Amino acid sequence: AQSVTQLGSHVSVSEGALVLLRCNYSSSVPPYLFWYVQYPNQGLQLLLKYTSAATLVKGINGFEAEFKKSETSFHLTKPSAHMSDAAEYFCAVSEPGGYNKLIFGAGTRLAVHP
Amino acid sequence: DAGVIQSPRHEVTEMGQEVTLRCKPISGHNSLFWYRQTMMRGLELLIYFNNNVPIDDSGMPEDRFSAKMPNASFSTLKIQPSEPRDSAVYFCASRPLDGGYTFGSGTRLTVV
Repeated sequence: AQSVTQLGSHVSVSEGALVLLRCNYSSSVPPYLFWYVQYPNQGLQLLLKYTSAATLVKGINGFEAEFKKSETSFHLTKPSAHMSDAAEYFCAVSEPGGYNKLIFGAGTRLAVHP
Repeated sequence: DAGVIQSPRHEVTEMGQEVTLRCKPISGHNSLFWYRQTMMRGLELLIYFNNNVPIDDSGMPEDRFSAKMPNASFSTLKIQPSEPRDSAVYFCASRPLDGGYTFGSGTRLTVV
């Protein structure tokens, strides 16, 4: 069975500071990994995804994530936080291939203060 | 491309009533997923379809919940009878065979 653990349900950073949101996965097969963002009262928007190509994945809004098999991690980073980055972030895992379900972590709420 | 379309956006109903949530996936997407989001349990996968066929409904909480996908462009999630603990945001998502998942804006259900 696959699962995702997001360390820290709440993260607070200053505007301009580094953003680091942690995600560790458990999977019996090489997984596909995703980060989604959810703004208040909205659906989930894909930030980036890892599908067994380059281990460093760049996404939208300046975010990137690195797949580290030895650490079973897929942490999300952004060099400089903006106020508009305040939202909830979800890490998710699926088995590779076309017909597989997406399993989400519990989410991390990011607050950005001036 | 209008994205995944869910209706209604908000639903308030009385306990015991039947509730039907609707989803129109993106044209050409082979898979459709129903998720439920609550503060306590986060995002839970309820059921998903591949090519209109239900593949895994192990997440459906109980027999009061049912889902159908009569064709490639429409799916429903029905709760009968509804209970206050069913109050949540219900998301529909679709994806093509080899692509990412696209989520709808969700239906916020309140059962009073």
